[in-house]
Amino acid sequence: DTGVSQDPRHKITKRGQNVTFRCDPISEHNRLYWYRQTLGQGPEFLTYFQNEAQLEKSRLLSDRFSAERPKGSFSTLEIQRTEQGDSAMYLCASSPPASGGLDTQYFGPGTRLTVL
Amino acid sequence: GENVEQHPSTLSVQEGDSAVIKCTYSDSASNYFPWYKQELGKGPQLIIDIRSNVGEKKDQRIAVTLNKTAKHFSLHITETQPEDSAVYFCAAGHQGAQKLVFGQGTRLTINP
Repeated sequence: DTGVSQDPRHKITKRGQNVTFRCDPISEHNRLYWYRQTLGQGPEFLTYFQNEAQLEKSRLLSDRFSAERPKGSFSTLEIQRTEQGDSAMYLCASSPPASGGLDTQYFGPGTRLTVL
Repeated sequence: GENVEQHPSTLSVQEGDSAVIKCTYSDSASNYFPWYKQELGKGPQLIIDIRSNVGEKKDQRIAVTLNKTAKHFSLHITETQPEDSAVYFCAAGHQGAQKLVFGQGTRLTINP
């Protein structure tokens, strides 16, 4: 059973550039989450997909951020016009179909973004 | 919204001793409380979780206790080993929100 995978693992970009990250969830996990983690802090929720539907978005997700999960499998997170404050670890997690409660979220290794 | 507070921020214990990390939460609707371990450069890894219908759960050297009335839960690690050194995060969530709210983390160091 392969875990959640994320690509790339590291991204260095210049301020103002666009970046896109990819997340591949665990097979048959229909729920997918994006979190952001800054140095010394816990992960903060960004957005949640159930299959291809984006059901919840945090206020942290400004209009420069967009996430998609077109076929209900992998997901992409795009940041347009990056700012230095976007520098963080972007974490993806997935969960199996709901069994009546909030199920375990399995995290990927993350994509570390550095904006110069 | 939910707010999770975690203490202490750093903890140093001798190998073989026990370590305890505590968290409080604010939303009485929260009913799922996982603990994650994060090593440098890696994503969080679930080590144990508890739901609100139980007060305690154990898995070998790791245990979690939950006090719903007081809205706090704790992680207990016994017989600590050097490989337990990492950052530990508590979190809280409920089905209606479909998201986890994390504490600020505890950096645990096991001294040989």
